[in-house]
Amino acid sequence: GQQLNQSPQSMFIQEGEDVSMNCTSSSIFNTWLWYKQDPGEGPVLLIALYKAGELTSNGRLTAQFGITRKDSFLNISASIPSDVGIYFCAGQGTTDSWGKFQFGAGTQVVVTP
Amino acid sequence: DTGVSQDPRHKITKRGQNVTFRCDPISEHNRLYWYRQTLGQGPEFLTYFQNEAQLEKSRLLSDRFSAERPKGSFSTLEIQRTEQGDSAMYLCASSLDWGAGANVLTFGAGSRLTVL
Repeated sequence: GQQLNQSPQSMFIQEGEDVSMNCTSSSIFNTWLWYKQDPGEGPVLLIALYKAGELTSNGRLTAQFGITRKDSFLNISASIPSDVGIYFCAGQGTTDSWGKFQFGAGTQVVVTP
Repeated sequence: DTGVSQDPRHKITKRGQNVTFRCDPISEHNRLYWYRQTLGQGPEFLTYFQNEAQLEKSRLLSDRFSAERPKGSFSTLEIQRTEQGDSAMYLCASSLDWGAGANVLTFGAGSRLTVL
């Protein structure tokens, strides 16, 4: 089952608004990944984070690796219609094998014109 | 490179039948992973290969599931005697095993299984 708490579960926003979502865990993670998934497709990597406190941007997306190593945040600025989709966080624990990630349940983003 | 390819994209089968999914990873990636995703949830780890060696299997992978990667390139995931609870999207991913890309998964489009 899911070991990450991802919130919010869904967001309905207007085009141009900013979006924020986060993931928390009871375990310490070494790596955080953020993915976007469109219906019927596989997840597509958005941002990878490797160090506590790290802040990384990819266009209008910004993600941070929490200083406690137990959380991560994703922000989308000035949302556009193509930002619609489900966003997943994924964390790799200190004892997990490389490539073995725990995923959150996802945040569904709906953007209205 | 065309990325990670999975086949078939959709499979509908009757309970009790066997199904097999194929994954072709990115050619220079020697690690290959299988994840399962049910509706409304994130992907869950099933197993992974380093070249042809299967190095870890999740407890989710019951005896009815078997994965192979015979030549260290493509992989197959077979489910025997399918049950309705096996209905899910089966995702394949690959990665390098060194450098910055070692811990970044590139996913395929998935194979959606529906068991009637």
